[in-house]
Amino acid sequence: GIQVEQSPPDLILQEGANSTLRCNFSDSVNNLQWFHQNPWGQLINLFYIPSGTKQNGRLSATTVATERYSLLYISSSQTTDSGVYFCAVGPPDAGNNRKLIWGLGTSLAVNP
Amino acid sequence: ETGVTQSPTHLIKTRGQQVTLRCSSQSGHNTVSWYQQALGQGPQFIFQYYREEENGRGNFPPRFSGLQFPNYSSELNVNALELDDSALYLCASSPGTSTIQYFGAGTRLSVL
Repeated sequence: GIQVEQSPPDLILQEGANSTLRCNFSDSVNNLQWFHQNPWGQLINLFYIPSGTKQNGRLSATTVATERYSLLYISSSQTTDSGVYFCAVGPPDAGNNRKLIWGLGTSLAVNP
Repeated sequence: ETGVTQSPTHLIKTRGQQVTLRCSSQSGHNTVSWYQQALGQGPQFIFQYYREEENGRGNFPPRFSGLQFPNYSSELNVNALELDDSALYLCASSPGTSTIQYFGAGTRLSVL
């Protein structure tokens, strides 16, 4: 099955710094989502981005499907950005099955 | 706020007991998926329900079962609880026209 690898596993930033999180996947996908999991466990949708580039405020994401990777950019980080960032992908042979396969996440801590 | 609600938020059970977790999906979403997230890991796909039928299952034993009701709400049942079942259980819903999934805040299950 599809393998999803995220890097770096851990990241510590000072408030105001920028960062790039990477997600590599081993096969074609029909779905790619970035999530932020807050300390209480809630998964918050950041981007649905199986290909292309999107921006939402201080966050942006790019997926290069042909090269099987996606990048999440966080600019001017804030303490509220702390948490775990997950990349999750959907296999193309899933049909109506919307199952997502997840990486291990990047744990981000933003210090004031 | 994703519109997906799960209950209860926390639960403590003992080994061998049975548990039922509940999920109310976002209005208009006819697909519900359940995931198990162990500490420090990404979520693992348990199964998915579409219009009251199971239409995809991950690598979980038959003691993990589910139901979807006509209003698209869902239950996850786990029989003969084991210590390793201790985890955060996440429910996600998606509309029939999209693969984007929206997650509830989860139920944290502890098996003693």
